[in-house]
Parts: sequence; structure tokens; C-alpha cells
Amino acid sequence: DQQVKQNSPSLSVQEGRISILNCDYTNSMFDYFLWYKKYPAEGPTFLISISSIKDKNEDGRFTVFLNKSAKHLSLHIVPSQPGDSAVYFCAASAKTSGSRLTFGEGTQLTVNP
Amino acid sequence: KAGVTQTPRYLIKTRGQQVTLSCSPISGHRSVSWYQQTPGQGLQFLFEYFSETQRNKGNFPGRFSGRQFSNSRSEMNVSTLELGDSALYLCASSLLASATDTQYFGPGTRLTVL
Repeated sequence: DQQVKQNSPSLSVQEGRISILNCDYTNSMFDYFLWYKKYPAEGPTFLISISSIKDKNEDGRFTVFLNKSAKHLSLHIVPSQPGDSAVYFCAASAKTSGSRLTFGEGTQLTVNP
Repeated sequence: KAGVTQTPRYLIKTRGQQVTLSCSPISGHRSVSWYQQTPGQGLQFLFEYFSETQRNKGNFPGRFSGRQFSNSRSEMNVSTLELGDSALYLCASSLLASATDTQYFGPGTRLTVL
């Protein structure tokens, strides 16, 4: 039962353009959402998070949008840079589950110079 | 501040053997979680420890176990290794064991079972 899904295994964009990564979830108990970036041979690095009481959170070039009614969140990267090329994971947690994170399968983002 | 460290980084074992992986959290962090990453299953939660107590466990067989010491360092053990246990094992630490606490990951231990 995949409770967090990232339907696009890969995404390719041009440097300077916007990258939009999408994530859907099914468990209505999830109330905190995170995005992690992962380079090969390294652990995931925290990027940005959003609580279910908000619908948008910004941090520099990264913005996360949450649509609770659609159980959908997205990560926008503007402008995209070649160094952003990595695998991006969406993750979710619920107050009732401590710090347990449920991850999506990941999306490989490639930013072309 | 030093990040999460995991040892060893790479490990090769044969079927039937057992293995112990180690994780040292960020100084001051009391919560440690373990995840398994495989190409087919993505990142799967194994278990979570806080103040030496297991607070949460994922859907893994009893061959997977762990513990946490008084200094918050954690170990996980896999007994009777199977080929399917080949994976990247990631450890993450956070200050407390709260759902809104940011978890910081180590570089992982790459386990290969032959």
C-alpha cells in the first residue's frame, strides 16, 4: 500500500526555468510533509517542509504547496540550477506515528545547462 | 557540528550470516530512526528509538532488530541474511521524536549479500 506516491520517476528542465515536482498521498492522518534531496552515495538532505495548517511555504528558490482537499503537494524550484540535479523524495508524517516518515519513490531531476 | 555518521560505509556478507550496523547521531539528538532503501521499494521505515526505547517499528521480519545506547548511539542487527537484504541502510537523527522534528540522515551503509 503506497501511501505516498511520486508518479514521475524523472523530470528534465533547462537551467533557469521552473522545476515542478509532484507528490500525492492517501493517508488523511498525515499532517506534516517534507522534501528531501539525495545525491548518489549520500544520505537524503532536508530541503523544506510544510505543516497541514498551511498551504504554502517558501525558502529561497524552493516553495512547497499543499492542497489538502486533493491530498497533493508540489515542490517548485525557481530558477533551476544544474546543481539541483538529484533525486527528490517527498515524505509525510503523522502526529500519531512519532518521527516515522513515509517516503515516495523519488523523482530524478536533471537540470540541463 | 558533526553530522550523522554511520559505520561501516560498505559491507559484503554471504547468505545466512548476520550483520551489525552502527549509527552515531548529531550531538544532542535523542531520536534515531533507521530506513532501508532498495531500488524496488524505495525508502522503507525500519524502526525508531528514543531514549533507549523502541517507539515505532515498520513491517520488517524479526530478523531485523535494533537498540539504542545511553549516549543515543544506535545499532541495527540483521540475522540470517537473505539476498533481498542487499540495500542501503540509512540512519536519521532528530532532537526529539516528534513528527515535526527535522530528521537528518547519515550517508548510509551499503550492504551487499552474496
